[in-house]
Amino acid sequence: QSALTQPASVSGSPGQSITISCTGTSSDVGSYNLVSWYQQYPGKAPKLMIYEGSKRPSGVSNRFSGSKSGNTASLAVSGLQAEDEADYYCCSYAGSNTVLFGGGTKLTVL
Amino acid sequence: EVQLVESGGGLVQPGRSLRLSCGASGLTFDDYAMHWVRQAPGKGLEWVSGISWNSDNIGYADSVKGRFTISRDNAKNSLYLQMNSLRAEDTALYYCAKGWAALRDAFDIWGQGTMVTVSS
Repeated sequence: QSALTQPASVSGSPGQSITISCTGTSSDVGSYNLVSWYQQYPGKAPKLMIYEGSKRPSGVSNRFSGSKSGNTASLAVSGLQAEDEADYYCCSYAGSNTVLFGGGTKLTVL
Repeated sequence: EVQLVESGGGLVQPGRSLRLSCGASGLTFDDYAMHWVRQAPGKGLEWVSGISWNSDNIGYADSVKGRFTISRDNAKNSLYLQMNSLRAEDTALYYCAKGWAALRDAFDIWGQGTMVTVSS
């Protein structure tokens, strides 16, 4: 069980678009369409932003979108806003009733 | 409103045990898988353990396998984590998180967490 790989940080200016990658293996990200993404503000509990790779829960802005190619999943944020500044974590089912998180990515809105 | 409230955290010496609880309200508890996720101070999220609605399917992270035991009491709308042989590296904020029908589903509701500190 090795954590999924995410960039430590990404940044963008208001109005721009950014993408956060999440790289796993053929045993986790590549095997299942079960990647989810979470947003976390400092001192707060995580919030589900994307599930099953590309689906948005009710109430999540359509500026957030998810995709997957092979062993790599991605979270895209368009029209960056100051409120998007937070930590983002990817997560994947890894088989045998286990789950893996990525190391997290700090998004900075310049 | 769906709410998850964790309790049972605290300061404990290495090698000792602690039992965490998570009380759920505002939902039909026995419809959902439940999980424990932890976050060490200043670090990222780490999935610890998950349990299906009927306790038939259970999983653990390698880092806690053999030391931690997850369980649930659907009659009491409660989730538990028995933590034995605690180590300094188990120090973290422990979140209770609700899944959906299957253990493999995403976590849509989170509690606020209970802090566990393992230190002599």
